[in-house]
Amino acid sequence: SSELTQDPAVSVALGQTVTITCQGDGLKYYSANWYQQKPRQAPVLVMYERNTRPSGIPDRFSGSNSGNTASLTITGAQAEDEADYYCKSRDSSARYLEFGGGTRLTVL
Amino acid sequence: QMQLQESGPGLVKPSQTLSLTCSVTGDSISTNSYYYSWVRQSPGKGLEWMGYIYYSGMAFYPPSLQGRVSLSVDNPNNQFFLTLTSVTAADTALYFCARGRPQSDDAFDIWGQGTTVTVSS
Repeated sequence: SSELTQDPAVSVALGQTVTITCQGDGLKYYSANWYQQKPRQAPVLVMYERNTRPSGIPDRFSGSNSGNTASLTITGAQAEDEADYYCKSRDSSARYLEFGGGTRLTVL
Repeated sequence: QMQLQESGPGLVKPSQTLSLTCSVTGDSISTNSYYYSWVRQSPGKGLEWMGYIYYSGMAFYPPSLQGRVSLSVDNPNNQFFLTLTSVTAADTALYFCARGRPQSDDAFDIWGQGTTVTVSS
């Protein structure tokens, strides 16, 4: 099982703000990056280096780290943001990478 | 722009060895600026990191797959490979290859489309 813990499911009303969290001891030392995955598609990197968005990712996505928790916030969620979101980081030993269990975001 | 494409047999028998290829186009893999990884996703489940490899051949694997998984690289042909031995039905999954950026929090910034592998007799 993953050392990175995510809520299995979160919902948000269209246009509202939602925060998806990821907890793990390794996050005290290493930043998480975040991936969005839509059905039958490959994951897409949406956040890295705490709060850096790859080219093409809307600025409504933001990230942060505090203690053992990493967060991905969507400010003004859109219908197209409905997807599974995964955090990824190094484990507390620093030797291995791991994914969180994923959070299914529903936009109502 | 670099692109990755997975290929391999869609069906493997239990106890046999699974071998997949990731072909890279658009840029050379022969640089320490990146490493190359495999990630899989069992039906209805989350993402599982399976290991990564540098062009030098240095590779790292998760404890859960140690002893069964091996990554290798063919620099002249710009390809890298996954080998998984003694497969069972639990290895049925969608397998992705991805490029990782070690200087950017290990961000996987480019992914292949994935290839489905079913383990069944």
